Amino acid sequence: EPEVTQTPSHQVTQMGQEVILRCVPISNHLYFYWYRQILGQKVEFLVSFYNNEISEKSEIFDDQFSVERPDGSNFTLKIRSTKLEDSAMYFCASKSLDGSSTQETQYFGPGTRLLVL
Amino acid sequence: SQQGEEDPQALSIQEGENATMNCSYKTSINNLQWYRQNSGRGLVHLILIRSNEREKHSGRLRVTLDTSKKSSSLLITASRAADTASYFCATDSNDYKLSFGAGTTVTVRA
Repeated sequence: EPEVTQTPSHQVTQMGQEVILRCVPISNHLYFYWYRQILGQKVEFLVSFYNNEISEKSEIFDDQFSVERPDGSNFTLKIRSTKLEDSAMYFCASKSLDGSSTQETQYFGPGTRLLVL
Repeated sequence: SQQGEEDPQALSIQEGENATMNCSYKTSINNLQWYRQNSGRGLVHLILIRSNEREKHSGRLRVTLDTSKKSSSLLITASRAADTASYFCATDSNDYKLSFGAGTTVTVRA
């Protein structure tokens, strides 16, 4: 069964460093998302991406964040200058809207655990 | 803001018993989805119920939706130790994002 994959599974970085989190959505999906979950807290929406542009973003998704779909298969989240409070699990998700019975379902990847020191 | 909120926050049951958790939300939705998360791991999609549906089944899972009360429930029947996890409801009010609740932590005792 197709699945969303994410790399790396864990990343440790120093405050102020740039990180790039990578995701490969399910191949025929059209909508892409990033969410994050700070330890012990709820999952929070960051950004959605459709037709090569951002559809919606949350207040968390400030100028330090950016997303890109560089090659038609990968979907990346970049944090330019990480802060301690960026430590969280970051989830990528995708959705198809292809008219199938599962078109509205968002499928999540396993997450990247980011630790900023 | 558009959010799902689950209750109870935590639930401990004996293997074989049923587990019921509830979710309330604030504004109109297109659908409501339930996810499971094992400790520190990814989110596994369990079931989606659309706003025009009232009840849905998938294996040992039963989900209800009451749009007049803006609430949903997830029932897990004949629980197993492997059902131990956190369960989240997430509401979709447009195509662009899911709003998650804080989750219910379910512990199934052998």
